Order: sequence, then C-alpha cells, then structure tokens
Amino acid sequence: ETGVTQTPRHLVMGMTNKKSLKCEQHLGHNAMYWYKQSAKKPLELMFVYNFKEQTENNSVPSRFSPECPNSSHLFLHLHTLQPEDSALYLCASSPGLAESYEQYFGPGTRLTVT
Amino acid sequence: GQNIDQPTEMTATEGAIVQINCTYQTSGFNGLFWYQQHAGEAPTFLSYNVLDGLEEKGRFSSFLSRSKGYSYLLLKELQMKDSASYLCAVQDSNYQLIWGAGTKLIIKP
Repeated sequence: ETGVTQTPRHLVMGMTNKKSLKCEQHLGHNAMYWYKQSAKKPLELMFVYNFKEQTENNSVPSRFSPECPNSSHLFLHLHTLQPEDSALYLCASSPGLAESYEQYFGPGTRLTVT
Repeated sequence: GQNIDQPTEMTATEGAIVQINCTYQTSGFNGLFWYQQHAGEAPTFLSYNVLDGLEEKGRFSSFLSRSKGYSYLLLKELQMKDSASYLCAVQDSNYQLIWGAGTKLIIKP
C-alpha cells in the first residue's frame, strides 16, 4: 500500500474520445506529479503541482490538461490523443519540492490509444 | 544536456551479488535516488545518496562518487523476488528528478 491511488488502472480510448485519469494521495503531501513511462525510456515528467499551484509544465501538448483541485487530488484530462500517447501514466507525491524528498508513486494507468 | 546512463538489462544467479551502475551528467546535483519497479507496479524508493560513499540498507547498498558522476546499486544474496527494473534518478539544481531508462534485472535459479 503506497498511499497513492490511481484510477482507472487500464484505459483504452479512441483518438476522438475524452477521458480523465484520477490520482489521490493519502499521505498529507503538498506536491504532486504526473509522469509518462514508455517502454525502455526514462520517466518523463509532465506536470508538477505544489500546494495546488502548477509549478512545471514540461512542454506537454495541450491535448493533456492537468487539474489539481486540492493537495490530495490530481487529474489528467485527455482529449484527441495520438497512438504515440499510449504509455503508463504514473502519479507521484512528495512532502514538498525544494528538498530532497523521495517521491511516492501510484500503480499507474496503462493507456492505450487506438 | 542532462543525461543518466545505466545498462538496459542484466542477468544474475539466485544467491549471488550484482552491481548496477549509473553515470550522470546534470545541471547541478542535490542527490541521487534508486527505485525498484516490478513489472506492472509502481516504482518504490530504495536509497538516497547525497554525500560520497556507501549507504547500506540490508541486502542493498548504494555508492556515490560526485567527482566521477557515478553511482552503483549493490544487491547481495539475490532472491527471485529481486527480479525487477532498477531506476536511477538524479535531483538537479532545481530539485527536479532526472531519470535513467532503468535496468531490467533478471534472476535465474
């Protein structure tokens, strides 16, 4: 039990669909992250939120839209995705940003775009 | 640019010792992390090094040389459950984690 949950665990969507990924952390952390993990590639940081405010957007296409209503919840809204967006999407949290804190990961959402 | 290098795959025998290397070039350095990721699961934290030297934690140890931009993860008395990917990540001057692609470790009986 990592304290970070993600739903759904698996998602198949067409290129014209709109869907959302949800992440919730029960650790009392202030920072939350979205990562993309593709086979044999490094984890790609997509977005970072600290105290609900977005602090990082690593040149992510606008078809990915994050939302952080509070420090415990993080969403990733998806629309008009491409097949190359198929990957494992991982959410993580940490106590804060400007310290060497370890990050706690959720189990991920395996996304397939058809 | 920022870069983390680690071997793609390694194979070892149950009961043996294996060393997984990681070299890095980053904009600043605020620590190096090792994570373990079993197939289909979340990465989980293994170790953190910020000063040169060896950190030991049970069967796992991690070493850091900042002058050489080099770290290794040492796994002793290997067990079948140690079959997983091992991810090296460096925290840069902005406290962002820069990740390697991971080393898939296969343990054979």
